[in-house]
Amino acid sequence: EAGVAQSPRYKIIEKRQSVAFWCNPISGHATLYWYQQILGQGPKLLIQFQNNGVVDDSQLPKDRFSAERLKGVDSTLKIQPAKLEDSAVYLCASSPRSAGWDEQYFGPGTRLTVT
Amino acid sequence: LAKTTQPISMDSYEGQEVNITCSHNNIATNDYITWYQQFPSQGPRFIIQGYKTKVTNEVASLFIPADRKSSTLSLPRVSLSDTAVYYCLVGDHGNTGKLIFGQGTTLQVKP
Repeated sequence: EAGVAQSPRYKIIEKRQSVAFWCNPISGHATLYWYQQILGQGPKLLIQFQNNGVVDDSQLPKDRFSAERLKGVDSTLKIQPAKLEDSAVYLCASSPRSAGWDEQYFGPGTRLTVT
Repeated sequence: LAKTTQPISMDSYEGQEVNITCSHNNIATNDYITWYQQFPSQGPRFIIQGYKTKVTNEVASLFIPADRKSSTLSLPRVSLSDTAVYYCLVGDHGNTGKLIFGQGTTLQVKP
């Protein structure tokens, strides 16, 4: 079965510019997650969707970050405007069940560099 | 979610057995213990999950003592390709599935 797909793999932008990341989860997976991983740290959850509804966005900087999951499948994460501290790898993950502590399948991530 | 503590780094040699211990003193009755592995430039990958005693799969074994305040991930006969960061996580099967990653243990396998 195909894994979680993400694009682009790499992105370099200047501060105050905007950027968008795309994620296609594993087919049939109800839950989708976006994580931010800063170099040397573990991933930090930004937002969790169940189908196309938001379950948890408590750690999403809502003044600059936004995310949507259209039709409960693909998702996009946007940053506008970007700051230097947003330089990180943005990981998308999905899991098959809609609730519970289920195994999460991660994509390869998008490495963002803000200059 | 229970906080976990694990060594920042470990070194080993090819062919050795590696044991990584994770401390989770505040684990709750409903909490399960899960380990993820992350290679450079890749997302984390699920390795193993358990509640008590011993769990074994084709990749690793997970040992959990009776008090469940710690757990040990055992990797048999490691190879260079096992060089990665290993994360220990504790969470409730009844919650939303939120994972809180710590800094993990960086395992370096040497030839």
